[in-house]
Amino acid sequence: DTEVTQTPKHLVMGMTNKKSLKCEQHMGHRAMYWYKQKAKKPPELMFVYSYEKLSINESVPSRFSPECPNSSLLNLHLHALQPEDSALYLCASSQQGTGINEQYFGPGTRLTVT
Amino acid sequence: GENVEQHPSTLSVQEGDSAVIKCTYSDSASNYFPWYKQELGKRPQLIIDIRSNVGEKKDQRIAVTLNKTAKHFSLHITETQPEDSAVYFCAASIGNTGFQKLVFGTGTRLLVSP
Repeated sequence: DTEVTQTPKHLVMGMTNKKSLKCEQHMGHRAMYWYKQKAKKPPELMFVYSYEKLSINESVPSRFSPECPNSSLLNLHLHALQPEDSALYLCASSQQGTGINEQYFGPGTRLTVT
Repeated sequence: GENVEQHPSTLSVQEGDSAVIKCTYSDSASNYFPWYKQELGKRPQLIIDIRSNVGEKKDQRIAVTLNKTAKHFSLHITETQPEDSAVYFCAASIGNTGFQKLVFGTGTRLLVSP
């Protein structure tokens, strides 16, 4: 399996809802990333997990809560979001180890907050 | 922190022409420079990358050049085809711990007309 997969593809949620985004890869990658992409803008890094531990949190509001339950799975738990949080949420993964390793993106979850 | 500027924001060419997209970065410690292609509604796809110890890299119709002194890197696409139409993002990163913290440029919308 050479892909990063994400579910769901689309999500509409109210500001009081709790929902979760899921990302999965079976390439043996030990670094996993969450990005947020607004329309016509570049991806912006939110979180990085390295060997299932949170390594980078780019000052993301606490209404976004990441979780890495195992080396293949990455979740993003959403609670009390705002309409401005509507965006494409992209997951990526890369090998972990010495040197530079390419990042590969999943197809994203398009989130709409009403 | 790292800042990446990208020009032009839009580029229209005729099929068969060449296209050049330029990026500059601010942090001289950056050592990895990938380029991603993103078609409408799709994931960013890694198309080529270059490490800081290399000045040029080519893969069929695409090439990337890096000038570390000037902190410039460029994407060159020759013999453009309509299927090259997409948004292209450059990125720069600092990383030698095995995962890359990518900072993206603002994107270039390339339109190739038949």
